[in-house]
Amino acid sequence: GESVGLHLPTLSVQEGDNSIINCAYSNSASDYFIWYKQESGKGPQFIIDIRSNMDKRQGQRVTVLLNKTVKHLSLQIAATQPGDSAVYFCAENDYNQGGKLIFGQGTELSVKP
Amino acid sequence: DGGITQSPKYLFRKEGQNVTLSCEQNLNHDAMYWYRQDPGQGLRLIYYSQIVNDFQKGDIAEGYSVSREKKESFPLTVTSAQKNPTAFYLCASIGQGFTGELFFGEGSRLTVL
Repeated sequence: GESVGLHLPTLSVQEGDNSIINCAYSNSASDYFIWYKQESGKGPQFIIDIRSNMDKRQGQRVTVLLNKTVKHLSLQIAATQPGDSAVYFCAENDYNQGGKLIFGQGTELSVKP
Repeated sequence: DGGITQSPKYLFRKEGQNVTLSCEQNLNHDAMYWYRQDPGQGLRLIYYSQIVNDFQKGDIAEGYSVSREKKESFPLTVTSAQKNPTAFYLCASIGQGFTGELFFGEGSRLTVL
């Protein structure tokens, strides 16, 4: 069935290092992908998105890479800061299913000072 | 400012009682969603609505009910048939065509006593 999953449930990095958070998806028909950041007790916040006709998109300190061949998505955070500590979710959307957004389990990023 | 408002933020319920969680948005978004989040877990889709007076079941709809009488409002009722209702509930909305950012509310935490 459809699912979006993450390779690692936790990730610990040193402040200033780059972080890479991975995500695997199974629905080859998904055409839109989003990364969210969730701090404890709050709703998820949008970070960056990418459509299936792209393989890379850059934002401020973040880059999302999409590899449709192996159905893999990654989020790269440059110069990771303590404020980046949170749980990160990837999500996929298949427009043919009328906007049914499916979320992965999440990766908890911990930044060490 | 535009956004999504969920209420109440915290709710306690006795077993056997129905409770209704409110979700209101002033973003003029067509599609609205309800997700459930358990500790250390990702978001699971309960119900979603693409347009007024229409809604579809998500992956875990059993024990829940919704209505979409107005574009701005998508209340979720947790019924007594939901066997394990203690969780964090998140409402979200997205604009026309299901493109762009999915906006989330701040969540409602339901505890069954």
